Amino acid sequence: NAGVTQTPKFQVLKTGQSMTLQCAQDMNHNSMYWYRQDPGMGLRLIYYSASEGTTDKGEVPNGYNVSRLNKREFSLRLESAAPSQTSVYFCASSEARQVNSPLHFGNGTRLTVT
Amino acid sequence: EDQVTQSPEALRLQEGESSSLNCSYTVSGLRGLFWYRQDPGKGPEFLFTLYSAGEEKEKERLKATLTKKESFLHITAPKPEDSATYLCAVQAPGTYKYIFGTGTRLKVLA
Repeated sequence: NAGVTQTPKFQVLKTGQSMTLQCAQDMNHNSMYWYRQDPGMGLRLIYYSASEGTTDKGEVPNGYNVSRLNKREFSLRLESAAPSQTSVYFCASSEARQVNSPLHFGNGTRLTVT
Repeated sequence: EDQVTQSPEALRLQEGESSSLNCSYTVSGLRGLFWYRQDPGKGPEFLFTLYSAGEEKEKERLKATLTKKESFLHITAPKPEDSATYLCAVQAPGTYKYIFGTGTRLKVLA
């Protein structure tokens, strides 16, 4: 039972390069999320998808785009990477329509932009 | 504004020295409060969900409690393997968003 799977685990980009972070969940959850985690800042929401076919901005969406490919998969794209996007990126899923439904996280993608 | 604040930022305990971590929240209603454990290089791991004031949940040496304004994570007789960052989050009403505190870094010394 894999839960939430993120690829790649590590990535180094040069400023201006693009890349897509992949995320898939096998828990049949409707809602999926992308967070970034920086020292002293905690987990900040980039984008989320309440259900298949919908996406919404979170707290820090600038410089990112997302695609909810199907119920299982939710990708995050950096079109032109900047050093400020150096961070650890976590994908998560939940049944957010239900009260008391927790987020379940992947193990993250560690991204460095030079 | 919906907000979650955790204290202390860091805590060092001797093995067996019990203590509590605090999570205070300001939301206009609560759809759930969640505690997570995060080990270095890993994603947050779900521990507990609490919903109603007065509710308590336990797991091994951990016990989470909830009031109308805050939650406590009590650690009884901790062991070195309890060392981790503990995160608190709330789900605000009428949204699909989860708001996280910045966490408490716990170090338990043998």
